[in-house]
Amino acid sequence: QVQLQESGPGLVKPSETLSLTCTVSGVSISSYYWSWIRQPPGKGLEWIGYIYNSGSSNYNPSLKSRVTMSVDTSKNQVSLKLTSVTAADTAVYYCARGYSPGGGGGMDVWGQGTTVTVSS
Amino acid sequence: SYELTQPPSVSVSPGQTASITCSGDKLGDKYACWYQQKPGQSPVLLIYQDNKRPSGIPERFSGSNSGNTATLTISVTQAMDEADYYCQAWDRSTVVFGGGTKLTVL
Repeated sequence: QVQLQESGPGLVKPSETLSLTCTVSGVSISSYYWSWIRQPPGKGLEWIGYIYNSGSSNYNPSLKSRVTMSVDTSKNQVSLKLTSVTAADTAVYYCARGYSPGGGGGMDVWGQGTTVTVSS
Repeated sequence: SYELTQPPSVSVSPGQTASITCSGDKLGDKYACWYQQKPGQSPVLLIYQDNKRPSGIPERFSGSNSGNTATLTISVTQAMDEADYYCQAWDRSTVVFGGGTKLTVL
């Protein structure tokens, strides 16, 4: 059974860097695309980006200048860093498993999400 | 940037059929996916590749995609189907979500 667990600080100060980790169990992260998605309170889903096997990644153009994703295959983890955060970055952050872009496979496994609040 | 448009809300009576639309430029040339999200829960993939259901998703959930519109159809709608529904597509290797539709069963 594939499971994803997001972890990281629940509170980040404005202008600092948000760092989250998604720990994957039940499958090797090397075989899939891994996306981060966020959802501000009371709002819809916003895709942040994906990473595949360390070498391939793509980010939402609106966040691209502030986002970095990485993988640690030895720990089976995917990480997200978002720099220069503001209150607008307050959201529930999800990681999800996906398939090749354009293949239409959807994101079929999601973590439970972790709430991040940006506040001083 | 590519946009997907959904109606903010749809209402349906129990046992009836609900249809939720998702519009985007030439969306029919791309694959559409649909997700269900209940309050306080993570999204669940309902439909992928326009009309395929993952294992465990009831047959009463179906999808179609043609022209500029993808449609999620829920037949024999149940109270437990009350939730937010999001469409999703890929555009130039980026993921795009629709704004979401709140389905009310009343």
